[in-house]
Amino acid sequence: EAGVVQSPRYKIIEKKQPVAFWCNPISGHNTLYWYLQNLGQGPELLIRYENEEAVDDSQLPKDRFSAERLKGVDSTLKIQPAELGDSAVYLCASSPMLAGGGTGEQFFGPGTRLTVL
Amino acid sequence: AQSVTQLGSHVSVSEGALVLLRCNYSSSVPPYLFWYVQYPNQGLQLLLKYTTGATLVKGINGFEAEFKKSETSFHLTKPSAHMSDAAEYFCAVTEGGYSTLTFGKGTMLLVSP
Repeated sequence: EAGVVQSPRYKIIEKKQPVAFWCNPISGHNTLYWYLQNLGQGPELLIRYENEEAVDDSQLPKDRFSAERLKGVDSTLKIQPAELGDSAVYLCASSPMLAGGGTGEQFFGPGTRLTVL
Repeated sequence: AQSVTQLGSHVSVSEGALVLLRCNYSSSVPPYLFWYVQYPNQGLQLLLKYTTGATLVKGINGFEAEFKKSETSFHLTKPSAHMSDAAEYFCAVTEGGYSTLTFGKGTMLLVSP
């Protein structure tokens, strides 16, 4: 079974440029998460999707960050414009819906390492 | 809201020595607790988890952890370290069920020959 796929794995951009990250979750997983991991820190949630619906985006800086999950499968996270402080690893995770309701264990992708110069 | 504290940003052990990585949590409801490992330039891999039931849980690669409610702890141990165990380890908590994870800041495990 294929895992969570993320691309690109690495991205270097100049500040004020836009950037986009793509995530393909494990087939059949309804829930998708984007986490931000700063150097030396644990991941922090940016946004959580249940199918197409963003159910928790309280930590997403909406002035420059946006995300979408069309058709409830793949997801894209965008930053426009990027700032120096956005240099970090962006992790995507997905989890299945449990038979009794609720979501199951999260599986993580390899992440996209963003460097803003 | 839940939180996780991992004591020690770096832990150094010799190959063959006991590994002990500390994790304390706070949660207003019965928690689910997790340990993840992250190798350089890779994503997070689940080592083990506590949901309900037996408080001593065994995971992959010989790791285990014990849920101690009275101490609000979930420390990770391994009897004998291998060089391949060198990585960063994250403790995480959810408030009841599988939901959004709250992570600690991580502990880098260094293993010397």
